[in-house]
Amino acid sequence: AQSVSQHNHHVILSEAASLELGCNYSYGGTVNLFWYVQYPGQHLQLLLKYFSGDPLVKGIKGFEAEFIKSKFSFNLRKPSVQWSDTAEYFCAGRDTGRRALTFGSGTRLQVQP
Amino acid sequence: GAVVSQHPSWVICKSGTSVKIECRSLDFQATTMFWYRQFPKQSLMLMATSNEGSKATYEQGVEKDKFLINHASLTLSTLTVTSAHPEDSSFYICSAMSPRQGFNYGYTFGSGTRLTVV
Repeated sequence: AQSVSQHNHHVILSEAASLELGCNYSYGGTVNLFWYVQYPGQHLQLLLKYFSGDPLVKGIKGFEAEFIKSKFSFNLRKPSVQWSDTAEYFCAGRDTGRRALTFGSGTRLQVQP
Repeated sequence: GAVVSQHPSWVICKSGTSVKIECRSLDFQATTMFWYRQFPKQSLMLMATSNEGSKATYEQGVEKDKFLINHASLTLSTLTVTSAHPEDSSFYICSAMSPRQGFNYGYTFGSGTRLTVV
């Protein structure tokens, strides 16, 4: 079955620390992958997405993610986090035979000033 | 950009009553919308895919008679929780496929509805 897993449930960092959030998927064929951010009380916002091409994807707010097919991974990274990055982060995937997204369990990021 | 408006933001209802949640695409036509349910500190679980002008496709385990979905126009999908019970209390989120270039379509999310059944 299609699945997306995020192993980091709660991450606490200090400002300026580097961030890497793990995401693994189980799709066997062509896959589209997404990272979304949900700030408290707000709707999900797209950070970045991978459809094809360059496996290193640049997103908004300084985030990037790398698609590593051999590891079935799509980890989210940011070299230096800010207090304003405190939010819930969701990895999501979709294979080409299905329109709906499958979400990971989410990672709560808390950045301490 | 693509915007999806979801109303109400929160609702409290009594057990046994029905509640309707609306999801509107404001600046684009959405032939397909999705309804998710999110439990506290958990992920979004897909409930159903809503298709304009046809019946919704429900995920396994979701009661179609309890969660009625209507997608009567290209800009509006509604989710009605019928005969609500406390266990239906949750955060419901809608999403619409927003038009992009060719195959690379995106998804736009509503702000969610917090349903509390007392």
